[in-house]
Amino acid sequence: EAQVTQNPRYLITVTGKKLTVTCSQNMNHEYMSWYRQDPGLGLRQIYYSMNVEVTDKGDVPEGYKVSRKEKRNFPLILESPSPNQTSLYFCASSGGQAGWANVLTFGAGSRLTVL
Amino acid sequence: AQSVAQPEDQVNVAEGNPLTVKCTYSVSGNPYLFWYVQYPNRGLQFLLKYITGDNLVKGSYGFEAEFNKSQTSFHLKKPSALVSDSALYFCAVRDIIGSSNTGKLIFGQGTTLQVKP
Repeated sequence: EAQVTQNPRYLITVTGKKLTVTCSQNMNHEYMSWYRQDPGLGLRQIYYSMNVEVTDKGDVPEGYKVSRKEKRNFPLILESPSPNQTSLYFCASSGGQAGWANVLTFGAGSRLTVL
Repeated sequence: AQSVAQPEDQVNVAEGNPLTVKCTYSVSGNPYLFWYVQYPNRGLQFLLKYITGDNLVKGSYGFEAEFNKSQTSFHLKKPSALVSDSALYFCAVRDIIGSSNTGKLIFGQGTTLQVKP
């Protein structure tokens, strides 16, 4: 089944404890992206990647890091999480290098709580 | 800058009645518009998109959307609502920075659709 897989789905952590949310897609998609969803704000892009080794900031990149060492994986790293990073996170991918008008396929989401 | 607005936080409709979820947009150039649906504890699922052509776009699960350039709107519609349509709906527009396509979608804040039996 074509899908985007995120782990963990749920996580409660404490301020300052580094964590990684993994994202993997099995569709050979070039384009991958991370969004966070907050009530009343919709989804906002954190980082995106046009291709392997090519990443760039989205609208809300502060406090996050990403890497794209291989096509299928795009982990999101929180080096020192803070309570304002409590959110629902989505990884998404699409075919075509620029994601031009292409449909995004989303993972099921990772709900992160930072105490 | 590109933006979309969903003026209603929640829409309530009785099963079997037609439904409309509203979306307005602001873009420079031609808009590329999308609708996604989010069921509880699930990721977003694509419903339909408008790129060019016919102003009435048909999508998944019996949904359709009407593109209106003069009113800068892209409302989601369904002739007969089902209880299973109850979910959170997002309108989105593709972002363009200068002539660059970053692949980013700009999302509205979402509208909760509640269909009652």
